[in-house]
Amino acid sequence: AQSVAQPEDQVNVAEGNPLTVKCTYSVSGNPYLFWYVQYPNRGLQFLLKYITGDNLVKGSYGFEAEFNKSQTSFHLKKPSALVSDSALYFCAVRAVGYSTLTFGKGTMLLVSP
Amino acid sequence: SQTIHQWPATLVQPVGSPLSLECTVEGTSNPNLYWYRQAAGRGLQLLFYSVGIGQISSEVPQNLSASRPQDRQFILSSKKLLLSDSGFYLCAWSPRSGTGRAEAFFGQGTRLTVV
Repeated sequence: AQSVAQPEDQVNVAEGNPLTVKCTYSVSGNPYLFWYVQYPNRGLQFLLKYITGDNLVKGSYGFEAEFNKSQTSFHLKKPSALVSDSALYFCAVRAVGYSTLTFGKGTMLLVSP
Repeated sequence: SQTIHQWPATLVQPVGSPLSLECTVEGTSNPNLYWYRQAAGRGLQLLFYSVGIGQISSEVPQNLSASRPQDRQFILSSKKLLLSDSGFYLCAWSPRSGTGRAEAFFGQGTRLTVV
């Protein structure tokens, strides 16, 4: 079985400040981890993924995520938030050899001017 | 490049009416295909996935069914819609891979309102 937890329903941050959106996972074996962003009434857009190698993964729009195996976490980060980053963010996991992604419930990021 | 098309974008249907949502992928072959439902703008629930023509796996038994008549076509159907079928339906594809490294790519979604 595989599962993802996003403990925060909403994260509020001021523009220009760093942001973190939290994600923890549970899988049997090694995980493949993903972050997606969703704008209102749109599909999900892929941001970044961790497959293997460097624990710090860089993705689109200045986002990055850090894989921590001991804490089973994959938190999304950005050094300086923009108002346009306001959206719904999803963390997802796929165990090696599985065909399906399991998503967290999503975290709404609100960046204030 | 690969693209995914999903239609219609919005749909309002009366209770008890049939449903057919279509999704097609271009620029790739033998994709894994998925149908998700998103309720109340939040979490994603996997409904069906397919690893090949005619091969459908159902994750949640319910009022819906899926079919894959062609390699790059995935259809979500219902014979009689319920109010609880309202939601945002998303089609997605990922490359066929034995290791699952690849991300999934999503269509723009269909907003279904059952009245």
